[in-house]
Amino acid sequence: EVQLVESGGGLDQPGGSLRLSCAASGFTFSNYWMNWVRQAPGKGLEWVANIKQDGSEKYYVDSVKGRFTISRDNAKNSLYLQMNSLRAEDTAVYYCTRVGLTVGSGVFDLWGQGTRVTVSS
Amino acid sequence: AIRMTQSPSSLSASTGDRVTITCRASQDISSSLAWYQQKPGKGPKFLIFAASTLQSGVPSRFSGSGSGTDFTLTISCLQSEDFATYYCQQYYSYPPTFGGGTKVEIK
Repeated sequence: EVQLVESGGGLDQPGGSLRLSCAASGFTFSNYWMNWVRQAPGKGLEWVANIKQDGSEKYYVDSVKGRFTISRDNAKNSLYLQMNSLRAEDTAVYYCTRVGLTVGSGVFDLWGQGTRVTVSS
Repeated sequence: AIRMTQSPSSLSASTGDRVTITCRASQDISSSLAWYQQKPGKGPKFLIFAASTLQSGVPSRFSGSGSGTDFTLTISCLQSEDFATYYCQQYYSYPPTFGGGTKVEIK
């Protein structure tokens, strides 16, 4: 089955750190750009970061630059998001997403079920 | 960043109704627009790309149109499984940005 499964979310204090993971299965992970998209409680969707197939290019939304790091391990079919210096406004469900190969660059054709991150003292 | 504005933010409809959702971009994005459906507690599901091309497996009652700055998603005959929140997204330029969502509720 083609799927993405996130893990690693939880509760942390402002200034803390969390590492999210995403396990991919059912497709050739190394062929795809991968992304993290988040959704704050009761809010819409916000793209956070993405990474090229070989990890050579990475891009971030301005609000997380210098605090979050996206990475991948193609041998393990896994995507990661290291989140440092967490802020209350980082509280959200974080989704791992795949950019489709045939639907236009920047279209997210596969999503995980999400992992919840809560930043609170 | 390109701002995407959806309207309405919510609507009430009955099974069998025709529903139209509007998405407006703050600048010309050509046809670089996608639509997603999200149900409570789930990740979004990809429906449409290039403003009007249905993803494989998406029912034909869904259709998209528009180009430039103004886009629409239409559900021609609403089914029970279509009650959800719908989001538009531009992929014309970085960062990719989403509309605020339109919740389709049962009347």
